[in-house]
Amino acid sequence: GDSVTQMEGPVTLSEEAFLTINCTYTATGYPSLFWYVQYPGEGLQLLLKATKADDKGSNKGFEATYRKETTSFHLEKGSVQVSDSAVYFCALNRYGGATNKLIFGTGTLLAVQP
Amino acid sequence: EAQVTQNPRYLITVTGKKLTVTCSQNMNHEYMSWYRQDPGLGLRQIYYSMNVEVTDKGDVPEGYKVSRKEKRNFPLILESPSPNQTSLYFCASSSQGGGGQPQHFGDGTRLSIL
Repeated sequence: GDSVTQMEGPVTLSEEAFLTINCTYTATGYPSLFWYVQYPGEGLQLLLKATKADDKGSNKGFEATYRKETTSFHLEKGSVQVSDSAVYFCALNRYGGATNKLIFGTGTLLAVQP
Repeated sequence: EAQVTQNPRYLITVTGKKLTVTCSQNMNHEYMSWYRQDPGLGLRQIYYSMNVEVTDKGDVPEGYKVSRKEKRNFPLILESPSPNQTSLYFCASSSQGGGGQPQHFGDGTRLSIL
């Protein structure tokens, strides 16, 4: 079945460091891919998405490119801030699916130190 | 403001005492889902609904019930809660079932079953 694998955390970085969180997926067909962020005590918020191969999603300085050849959707940011500390989830949704089910990775905790 | 509202945010209760977690959305979305979040497992779908009076099981439906009598509301019912249902629960809604439509999440309900 469909699945998402993302790097385990926690990831601890100093402010202004470069961030990469790896995400790979297994799915039939052409899924849509998402990154959601969960700040402490809050629900999940959509960070960015990509719906087809080679699409690049971007938001708030974060970027991820849908790579079909490597089945990957790695999250990157050039310079992290303390306010980026959160749990990041990679997820996929099957195109045309009737269940609206998101398949999530296990989440990666990012801690940014001043 | 577009939002998904869950209540209660926190609940500690005992085994076997029926409880209901409410979920309401104000975006006129057709699709709604319940997820549970557990450490190391990410989020897993419990139940979903495609419209009023249309519901179906997700990946982990055992021990849960849902209903969709109105478009905006999608309560989660635990008729006889057990300790293995201690978890963080999220309600989500979306305008479409698949593809690139993002889901909107509530802030979560933390349940502790003693």
